[in-house]
Amino acid sequence: AQRVTQPEKLLSVFKGAPVELKCNYSYSGSPELFWYVQYSRQRLQLLLRHISRESIKGFTADLNKGETSFHLKKPFAQEEDSAMYYCALNGGGATNKLIFGTGTLLAVQP
Amino acid sequence: DAGVIQSPRHEVTEMGQEVTLRCKPISGHNSLFWYRQTMMRGLELLIYFNNNVPIDDSGMPEDRFSAKMPNASFSTLKIQPSEPRDSAVYFCASSLAHGRRVGQYFGPGTRLTVL
Repeated sequence: AQRVTQPEKLLSVFKGAPVELKCNYSYSGSPELFWYVQYSRQRLQLLLRHISRESIKGFTADLNKGETSFHLKKPFAQEEDSAMYYCALNGGGATNKLIFGTGTLLAVQP
Repeated sequence: DAGVIQSPRHEVTEMGQEVTLRCKPISGHNSLFWYRQTMMRGLELLIYFNNNVPIDDSGMPEDRFSAKMPNASFSTLKIQPSEPRDSAVYFCASSLAHGRRVGQYFGPGTRLTVL
């Protein structure tokens, strides 16, 4: 079955500390993975696509097929990074149906 | 492009009333998705359309919920009759079909409160 697991509901770090938001997936084919961010009371915004291998706002994520993971990382957290982060998997087929994880709330303390 | 547009942004209604939420996808996108977000259940996919045709409505909670997409630039999600447990934020998202790698773009959401 296709599934996305984000094991941490809440991750609290201090400003300047490294951040790693965990995401594991279950998918039989070649996955397409995304990270979305939702700031307080705002819409979900696409943060990263694994295919792009980009760095947005200092965040990076590498697809590890061996560990079936797509963890989101940032070397130095900023207070403005505080938000809800969702990992999502494209379910394949002829559509863009996304399977979302339950999300991790990142709280960056001053 | 203004992005995905949803209206209203906030809706407060009484139990038993009909509620209609509206969505305008990004121009040129041909997939449209309706999600519901609550603290308890997180983000749930309710239904999605490809080229105005409903593809999967297995996430629609019950018969009180219905969704339509009469044309490529407009969709509605209707709840009739509404109940307090329907209180949530409802998001609409759009994307290019057959574009697995580009992701979905979300609207600002409609915050629904049913008293």
